[in-house]
Amino acid sequence: DQQVKQNSPSLSVQEGRISILNCDYTNSMFDYFLWYKKYPAEGPTFLISISSIKDKNEDGRFTVFLNKSAKHLSLHIVPSQPGDSAVYFCAARSVGTYKYIFGTGTRLKVLA
Amino acid sequence: DTAVSQTPKYLVTQMGNDKSIKCEQNLGHDTMYWYKQDSKKFLKIMFSYNNKELIINETVPNRFSPKSPDKAHLNLHINSLELGDSAVYFCASSQAGGASPLHFGNGTRLTVT
Repeated sequence: DQQVKQNSPSLSVQEGRISILNCDYTNSMFDYFLWYKKYPAEGPTFLISISSIKDKNEDGRFTVFLNKSAKHLSLHIVPSQPGDSAVYFCAARSVGTYKYIFGTGTRLKVLA
Repeated sequence: DTAVSQTPKYLVTQMGNDKSIKCEQNLGHDTMYWYKQDSKKFLKIMFSYNNKELIINETVPNRFSPKSPDKAHLNLHINSLELGDSAVYFCASSQAGGASPLHFGNGTRLTVT
């Protein structure tokens, strides 16, 4: 039972354009959402997070949007750079728990 | 000054052997985790310790035994290794409560032959 889903296994974007990565979840008890970036042979690196009391959080080129009614979050990267090419995971945690549940990942390729 | 470090990075061993993976964090976090990334690239939680107390124990064979000697260390011992144990194992840490992200180590790629 996959509670966090990333339905696009891969995405290609031209350098300088916007990358939009999507994530859907099923558990309405999730209150904290995160995005991670992963390069080959490295561990996932934390990018940006958002709590359920907000609908947007921005950090430089990265913005995360949360739509609680649709149980959907997205990560926008503007402008995309070749160094952004990696696998992106979304993750979520329920209220009062320690368990972070990850999506299946989306491989982003930014074309120069 | 690596935040979460795990050793070894690569581990190749034969079926039936026993092996350990070590993890240390210098972030001052009170909670540590083991995650497994299988061949399909899913990141699945295995165990978590908070202040040396086991708080998450997912459906993992009891051949896997975590041990946390203190808040900064979490080791994973695997007995009687099987082919299906081949995966990348990630250690992570966080601070309990509030908006605290997980910080991951670089993983240990375990290959069982």
